[in-house]
Amino acid sequence: GQNIDQPTEMTATEGAIVQINCTYQTSGFNGLFWYQQHAGEAPTFLSYNVLDGLEEKGRFSSFLSRSKGYSYLLLKELQMKDSASYLCAVIGDAGNMLTFGGGTRLMVKP
Amino acid sequence: EAEVAQSPRYKITEKSQAVAFWCDPISGHATLYWYRQILGQGPELLVQFQDESVVDDSQLPKDRFSAERLKGVDSTLKIQPAELGDSAMYLCASSPGTFTDTQYFGPGTRLTVL
Repeated sequence: GQNIDQPTEMTATEGAIVQINCTYQTSGFNGLFWYQQHAGEAPTFLSYNVLDGLEEKGRFSSFLSRSKGYSYLLLKELQMKDSASYLCAVIGDAGNMLTFGGGTRLMVKP
Repeated sequence: EAEVAQSPRYKITEKSQAVAFWCDPISGHATLYWYRQILGQGPELLVQFQDESVVDDSQLPKDRFSAERLKGVDSTLKIQPAELGDSAMYLCASSPGTFTDTQYFGPGTRLTVL
């Protein structure tokens, strides 16, 4: 089966850096996505990793280690608008479905 | 910028009633997905279409849920009869083609079953 774990909640301070971790156990691996979801809204795409290493996109970076079944999303220079849930999702071999973790709710405080 | 459209945005119904949700994917996107998201959890795939064909509906409760994408463009998800446990956000997403493509989500339909 597919199992994706991420912390339920995190709190950080405006202007700081926060790292949201995701570990996965899947049947096969064809890529890992990070999505941002504000309360009551649809998820929006942040990043896609299929090879090991760090992908940087502005204030957001995503890292993948396939051998460890591990990824993290790094958010720099936190802003209040970054308060949202961050969803880790993996495509395994099981019907090529995108399986989501439960999401990490990030609260940014002044 | 092209977006996935969904309607209605909110739906309140009584249990045992029928409800239907509509999704119009981004133009040209061959793959369409329906997800259910319970508050505080990640989205769970219900059904995936490639053009008009169902690719995966293993998580769809087929005794009460049905989905169709007759012309390979827009899609309808139906629940009949609705149960209290069906209260959730129903999200539609589309992607250009292969399963590794980024999925773009619509605004969702918030269903409340009373």
